[in-house]
Amino acid sequence: ETGVTQSPTHLIKTRGQQVTLRCSSQSGHNTVSWYQQALGQGPQFIFQYYREEENGRGNFPPRFSGLQFPNYSSELNVNALELDDSALYLCASSLAVGNYNEQFFGPGTRLTVL
Amino acid sequence: KQEVTQIPAALSVPEGENLVLNCSFTDSAIYNLQWFRQDPGKGLTSLLLIQSSQREQTSGRLNASLDKSSGRSTLYIAASQPGDSATYLCAVRFLYSGGGADGLTFGKGTHLIIQP
Repeated sequence: ETGVTQSPTHLIKTRGQQVTLRCSSQSGHNTVSWYQQALGQGPQFIFQYYREEENGRGNFPPRFSGLQFPNYSSELNVNALELDDSALYLCASSLAVGNYNEQFFGPGTRLTVL
Repeated sequence: KQEVTQIPAALSVPEGENLVLNCSFTDSAIYNLQWFRQDPGKGLTSLLLIQSSQREQTSGRLNASLDKSSGRSTLYIAASQPGDSATYLCAVRFLYSGGGADGLTFGKGTHLIIQP
């Protein structure tokens, strides 16, 4: 069984640029969630995708957008990067069955905005 | 606002001790609570998940309890080892999170150091 993978592992961008982060969910999982973790903080929920549709969103502006593909992999896109977007971006996959929804996380992508 | 708080923020104990990490949450209407471990600069490893109908879960030297009515959970680590050194995060899936759907709400974590 393959776990959650993310690419790239590290990324450096400048303010105003756009970035795309990628996530492959664990085999058999149908739901992908994205989180942002600033240094010294707990992860914050960005949004979740289920069956290729956004299924909930945290308190993040529209310049954070995403996609889920038929194979359940996902992308996180961030436009007009700001310095505060520097963080570890974590992807989590799960198999949503009723109210049971244990989330399994990937290793993350470290984004630095200069 | 739904929040998760973890106490203490940091803890350093000698190897072999039993220890308890605390997590509190502001709304008792939850689906479940999950404990994670995070090593420096790495992703999260799921340790235990407790459904709202459960009181505790055990895995090896780890035991997590849930008291939904008081909004508290504890993670008990028995016979601690240097390899247990990491940040431990508590996360709650609230029933009514507005637009947040199934997103987890995390605490800031407890940074644990086990001294050899």
